[in-house]
Amino acid sequence: KAGVTQTPRYLIKTRGQQVTLSCSPISGHRSVSWYQQTPGQGLQFLFEYFSETQRNKGNFPGRFSGRQFSNSRSEMNVSTLELGDSALYLCASSSSGQGAGTDTQYFGPGTRLTVL
Amino acid sequence: DAKTTQPNSMESNEEEPVHLPCNHSTISGTDYIHWYRQLPSQGPEYVIHGLTSNVNNRMASLAIAEDRKSSTLILHRATLRDAAVYYCILRGLSSGSARQLTFGSGTQLTVLP
Repeated sequence: KAGVTQTPRYLIKTRGQQVTLSCSPISGHRSVSWYQQTPGQGLQFLFEYFSETQRNKGNFPGRFSGRQFSNSRSEMNVSTLELGDSALYLCASSSSGQGAGTDTQYFGPGTRLTVL
Repeated sequence: DAKTTQPNSMESNEEEPVHLPCNHSTISGTDYIHWYRQLPSQGPEYVIHGLTSNVNNRMASLAIAEDRKSSTLILHRATLRDAAVYYCILRGLSSGSARQLTFGSGTQLTVLP
């Protein structure tokens, strides 16, 4: 079974631009979560989608948004990019999404975003 | 939210066992203990999880203290490929993190040849 894929792997943008990152979950997985990883803040949860609905959201400004399609693929968008948005953006999928604390999350390799 | 405490770094020699500790003194009865690791230039990878009893899988073993206030991830024979940051994470309804992973700073494991 193919793993979680993320595109693009690397991206360079300038301040003020917007960016869209894509994530394809493992086949059959309906829950997709996004995380941001920076050297200063570590790994932080952005949001989670399940069956095309945002179910959980982390503490990030409204410039960060996402969506999920009927095939469970997900995109996240960052508008009006700031230098501090430079980070590794990771996508993770899980099968049940039951929220019982037992489901395993499978991560993709991430998209490395650099904002100049 | 229930918190975990891990040493910042540990070293091990190749082919020797490694015991990675984690303290979680405020754990609730419904919190599961999860371990993930992140190899260089990769996304995090699930290692193991447990609730009360010790658990084994092909990657590692998880030893959970009787009072559940601490746990230890055991790599039975460390290889160079096991060099990574290891995260101990609590997940459960009471910790508010059932549907997300709340990462701490983890333990950077260095494996020496």
